[in-house]
Amino acid sequence: DAKTTQPPSMDCAEGRAANLPCNHSTISGNEYVYWYRQIHSQGPQYIIHGLKNNETNEMASLIITEDRKSSTLILPHATLRDTAVYYCIARAQTGANNLFFGTGTRLTVIP
Amino acid sequence: GAGVSQSPSNKVTEKGKDVELRCDPISGHTALYWYRQSLGQGLEFLIYFQGNSAPDKSGLPSDRFSAERTGGSVSTLTIQRTQQEDSAVYLCASSLSTKGGYTFGSGTRLTVV
Repeated sequence: DAKTTQPPSMDCAEGRAANLPCNHSTISGNEYVYWYRQIHSQGPQYIIHGLKNNETNEMASLIITEDRKSSTLILPHATLRDTAVYYCIARAQTGANNLFFGTGTRLTVIP
Repeated sequence: GAGVSQSPSNKVTEKGKDVELRCDPISGHTALYWYRQSLGQGLEFLIYFQGNSAPDKSGLPSDRFSAERTGGSVSTLTIQRTQQEDSAVYLCASSLSTKGGYTFGSGTRLTVV
């Protein structure tokens, strides 16, 4: 799986959009970009995934650059409950058994 | 059930004892994963089950660790002769296939004293 790089921490004001970047410059054509988050003392929670088109669901939007070397997870209106560690993972959907969780970005939503 | 259920939620055991951790995946999910997370650390892959295929055991840290999945549903992770470095949160996840997102349980916090 391609290595991903994320900033270790970010702050965001409550009610504002949180934009979490991820670099995956070595991503291969069959690897999807997955985002998970882990709120303190809980198991990770799946957020969204995509291949090359932008994706949106009830939790977030995923913007993937045209060259697929980077992506941004957008939480449109951050709340205090969105404070968590966010993991960006590049993974092929076939032949791959393991999601490799790096160190992620610790997002702190500030009142 | 609606989610992935793990039991016990907390387990304190003496060094050298064996422990069994249980995972009930979401009904119908064919893929099941075990991870562990030490305090302040990232998630470490342990083992993966997919249907009737042979499990991927490549992440098990030693031969003291083993896991089985009976009937394609419930899984048990067994740690024999526990050591203090085994202390961690053990997380189980399941998914409908390898393509979608995983659903994680709340984990079992294992403390070896």
